[in-house]
Amino acid sequence: GENVEQHPSTLSVQEGDSAVIKCTYSDSASNYFPWYKQELGKRPQLIIDIRSNVGEKKDQRIAVTLNKTAKHFSLHITETQPEDSAVYFCAAINAGNMLTFGGGTRLMVKP
Amino acid sequence: GAGVSQSPSNKVTEKGKDVELRCDPISGHTALYWYRQSLGQGLEFLIYFQGNSAPDKSGLPSDRFSAERTGGSVSTLTIQRTQQEDSAVYLCASSLIGRYEQYFGPGTRLTVT
Repeated sequence: GENVEQHPSTLSVQEGDSAVIKCTYSDSASNYFPWYKQELGKRPQLIIDIRSNVGEKKDQRIAVTLNKTAKHFSLHITETQPEDSAVYFCAAINAGNMLTFGGGTRLMVKP
Repeated sequence: GAGVSQSPSNKVTEKGKDVELRCDPISGHTALYWYRQSLGQGLEFLIYFQGNSAPDKSGLPSDRFSAERTGGSVSTLTIQRTQQEDSAVYLCASSLIGRYEQYFGPGTRLTVT
């Protein structure tokens, strides 16, 4: 089955700096890669996603890049703000529509 | 419109008791998913419904876990003879047919004492 690895597990940045979170996946058939943001005690919220036929997608301060050959994808947050502090999860979906999640990254943005 | 809802929000039960967790998906979403999130951990897939059928039950941790969905809407996850290791947040998600995006409910925090 699919295996998704996520790094780093914790990330601390200064407000205004950029943050990058990286994930690798094992199943070359996976074709959809979402990112979720989960604040403490809240539900995971879908913030951006990318399909396998696209190399990059951007939405304001967040962007995701995908390298299908290397089987890795990354989340980039620019001009970080304290409200970006949360746990971020990457995931990959296979033909069975099952999401396999990475272990999560706790992002702390220091004012 | 209304998002995915789950009930109860919190459940404390004694070891050995059965519990039922409920999920109401977004109206019109035919696909429904159950995940488990242990404290400080990632999300673990449990089971997936397309309509009322469950083509993938591979994630259920043991035969104490079962789930059903009726009328293509509400789903119930049942855990029999609960154990302390069942303590976790149980999350439900739904999606439209043919779409990958999954939207999560607020979860049920289960504590087995």
